[in-house]
Amino acid sequence: DIQMTQSPSSLSVSVGDRVTITCQASQDIHKSLNWYQQKPGKAPKALIYDASNLERGVPSRFSGSGSGTHFTFTISSLQPEDIATYYCQQYHSPYTFGQGTKLEIK
Amino acid sequence: EVQLVESGGGLVQPGGSLRLSCAASGFSFGAYNMLWVRQSKGKGLEWVSFIGAGGDTLYPDSVKGRFTISRENANDSLYLQMNRLTAGDTAVYYCARERYSGNYRYLDYWGQGALVTVSS
Repeated sequence: DIQMTQSPSSLSVSVGDRVTITCQASQDIHKSLNWYQQKPGKAPKALIYDASNLERGVPSRFSGSGSGTHFTFTISSLQPEDIATYYCQQYHSPYTFGQGTKLEIK
Repeated sequence: EVQLVESGGGLVQPGGSLRLSCAASGFSFGAYNMLWVRQSKGKGLEWVSFIGAGGDTLYPDSVKGRFTISRENANDSLYLQMNRLTAGDTAVYYCARERYSGNYRYLDYWGQGALVTVSS
């Protein structure tokens, strides 16, 4: 099974901060990685697919990069509505989610 | 508008069974792969079953042999039959639609979730 190690598990942030989350795969997954946002009591929402493609309607301050085993998710300038938990997910074989990164206001 | 609405959650005793349903609308249900994903309270997300548009199925080892995913395209419905439930299966269960091309796949629509509690 492919393991996904996401870090950090939590992050204290301020509005306007540049936020970076990483996800490490236990084996080469090429670009088979997605990023989701989940707010309390809500279902996850897709933000980035295929490592770096922005889902329709998602603001351009969100971005993703990486391939192979190392991936990065970035929010260029954090907005108040971005406070949420973020998950990576590999679909190379077959599906695994990272443990999540919870953003909290500093 | 795409909608996925789960039902059938509730309280069940250890060793018992439960069947979840997911009613789909607003898209050609039969053309899409569908998944069930669960989330234990305060925990992360775990994929628990997949059914392709062609009816092929996949399960992780944690539920293989206990859970069965199925679909009724004529009724735009997805199901998850869960047997031999344990406390570890307590979670919110989401159905989700998979957007798929030859190069990528991701879960683009999710239901609101159904809570399953396994307890005596």
